[in-house]
Amino acid sequence: SAVISQKPSRDICQRGTSLTIQCQVDSQVTMMFWYRQQPGQSLTLIATANQGSEATYESGFVIDKFPISRPNLTFSTLTVSNMSPEDSSIYLCSVVASEYSYNEQFFGPGTRLTVL
Amino acid sequence: GENVEQHPSTLSVQEGDSAVIKCTYSDSASNYFPWYKQELGKRPQLIIDIRSNVGEKKDQRIAVTLNKTAKHFSLHITETQPEDSAVYFCAASKGGSYIPTFGRGTSLIVHP
Repeated sequence: SAVISQKPSRDICQRGTSLTIQCQVDSQVTMMFWYRQQPGQSLTLIATANQGSEATYESGFVIDKFPISRPNLTFSTLTVSNMSPEDSSIYLCSVVASEYSYNEQFFGPGTRLTVL
Repeated sequence: GENVEQHPSTLSVQEGDSAVIKCTYSDSASNYFPWYKQELGKRPQLIIDIRSNVGEKKDQRIAVTLNKTAKHFSLHITETQPEDSAVYFCAASKGGSYIPTFGRGTSLIVHP
């Protein structure tokens, strides 16, 4: 299976600031995604991180608020900009690797963000 | 787009009992149905999946069934153990699209 690490694992931030979350995979992967999971809730897809091009955002999420980079096939960042308490959540990186089982999705350990 | 409904939202059983979680999907083109287990404070992990060319798949104490005509699939856990306590998510996706649509999750509590 793909080994995924995220940094930071958790952070407490002030309103109005920004936080960049890093996702590193131990092998090249076809697709990378960013999810948000609020306490007790399901997984909400924020965007697909595209290597070498702009990310594809889901309805309700915009690039100005959640800029995403993916400079290569093993690394991506998600920035949560101009944070408010409503952004408090767990942010998860996820990958699908073509060399593994068809469509099998792996998740990173998550970044627990608290905005004061 | 795809819509996945999952029931129940909470399921409480005694150790040794069976547990069943049900999901329905809306898009008949969906052909891949994974189930994820998420323990408290941990990441979701794939526990079993099924593709639309089969009706049932088993792996030790867990099994998944699929009814394409009715567009529903279910997770069955037999001889439940306290370590089965977790949130379980079902999902559905279409061929060619790697992005599944997740259900809202079922919190399974197994009482010793």
